[in-house]
Amino acid sequence: GAGVSQSPSNKVTEKGKDVELRCDPISGHTALYWYRQRLGQGLEFLIYFQGNSAPDKSGLPSDRFSAERTGESVSTLTIQRTQQEDSAVYLCASSLFGLGQTGELFFGEGSRLTVL
Amino acid sequence: AQKVTQAQTEISVVEKEDVTLDCVYETRDTTYYLFWYKQPPSGELVFLIRRNSFDEQNEISGRYSWNFQKSTSSFNFTITASQVVDSAVYFCALSEAKSGNTPLVFGKGTRLSVIA
Repeated sequence: GAGVSQSPSNKVTEKGKDVELRCDPISGHTALYWYRQRLGQGLEFLIYFQGNSAPDKSGLPSDRFSAERTGESVSTLTIQRTQQEDSAVYLCASSLFGLGQTGELFFGEGSRLTVL
Repeated sequence: AQKVTQAQTEISVVEKEDVTLDCVYETRDTTYYLFWYKQPPSGELVFLIRRNSFDEQNEISGRYSWNFQKSTSSFNFTITASQVVDSAVYFCALSEAKSGNTPLVFGKGTRLSVIA
């Protein structure tokens, strides 16, 4: 497809389990971003990739969160030992250029995570 | 530190009314970018506008207009003759354009309901 694709769209898991969320950015977009949106809240920055490297990991809430990107394409956000406070919509976005050019961000529809 | 404040949590208007969504930002940088995004019920954020800090000209796009005032650190968004399809959550965001760059920082959003 032409847009940012995220999977799964919905994930329900039990507390303590690990989850993986996937993001397929728009082809050719060098920059990729993960945000978290809790119910009724704004977007909270998690991590940013420029190519395959992550110059800014400052937003990751704890060491249970990690992310990687391979081939300047797909990115995976992993949450280990999930907690109920991890329940949120995880949004991925990509842009043609990095933040230096501050191009428009294109967002996916998000992965809704519910931790029981 | 950068910060975006959208004081209006929810607004309801009757169709055809004009409505203004407020956005106030804080930054120590002299060069920065301001954005508005729309998040309809489907969840996918849609880019509306980007404005750099050196361009204070107001912009109009159809029924949408934006008023950027550096003197009051505000970047307000007005919808003229609102329609039901305008119902969504609207986010204002800021990015500082310094070396190392910063990711978009979003406000908490304003939920607009347009009633027929």
